[in-house]
Amino acid sequence: QQPVQSPQAVILREGEDAVINCSSSKALYSVHWYRQKHGEAPVFLMILLKGGEQKGHDKISASFNEKKQQSSLYLTASQLSYSGTYFCGTVNAGNMLTFGGGTRLMVKP
Amino acid sequence: EADIYQTPRYLVIGTGKKITLECSQTMGHDKMYWYQQDPGMELHLIHYSYGVNSTEKGDLSSESTVSRIRTEHFPLTLESARPSHTSQYLCASRVGQGPLYGYTFGSGTRLTVV
Repeated sequence: QQPVQSPQAVILREGEDAVINCSSSKALYSVHWYRQKHGEAPVFLMILLKGGEQKGHDKISASFNEKKQQSSLYLTASQLSYSGTYFCGTVNAGNMLTFGGGTRLMVKP
Repeated sequence: EADIYQTPRYLVIGTGKKITLECSQTMGHDKMYWYQQDPGMELHLIHYSYGVNSTEKGDLSSESTVSRIRTEHFPLTLESARPSHTSQYLCASRVGQGPLYGYTFGSGTRLTVV
């Protein structure tokens, strides 16, 4: 079953922060996060395994709450290059990656 | 430089034609995947392979077929293209062992059936 992402879209000014959420109705083994710029392929950002760990990549970090079956992606001091569509992907007992509907992020100067 | 290659990048073809979308990767990955994505929408898994001679259908029903004769090559074929097949097709691969690795995607083939 497809995870649910929120919000569907967000517009930021450069330097502002944003949070993107990803929720699943099934127990999760791991969560992936990807960014896709217009007309390009999705690019892997990070993966989180169950255990509630938090990972970071420059000013982009994420958390995974196994009990709530949720993950959140945190974008701090956003840059113009952060614009794109962010997809979470969840892996459950079937070991298949299922993508959410995406969150469109636009960062303006 | 991309490690996973898809050709063609764009394809416009008439209804009823047979087409093959090519996907090759140079990373030696065992696991390969085909996703279908309409513009700005989510990715839907249509086929996957865990190694040579292994192919399975994904969550989204598709009239396409795939083959995996060599590790590096995972082509997708449509025997008779229809306008409903118009979409973007993305190929991906990942390392076979361990849960720590993400997917690497190709640049995609944007297919239009007229």
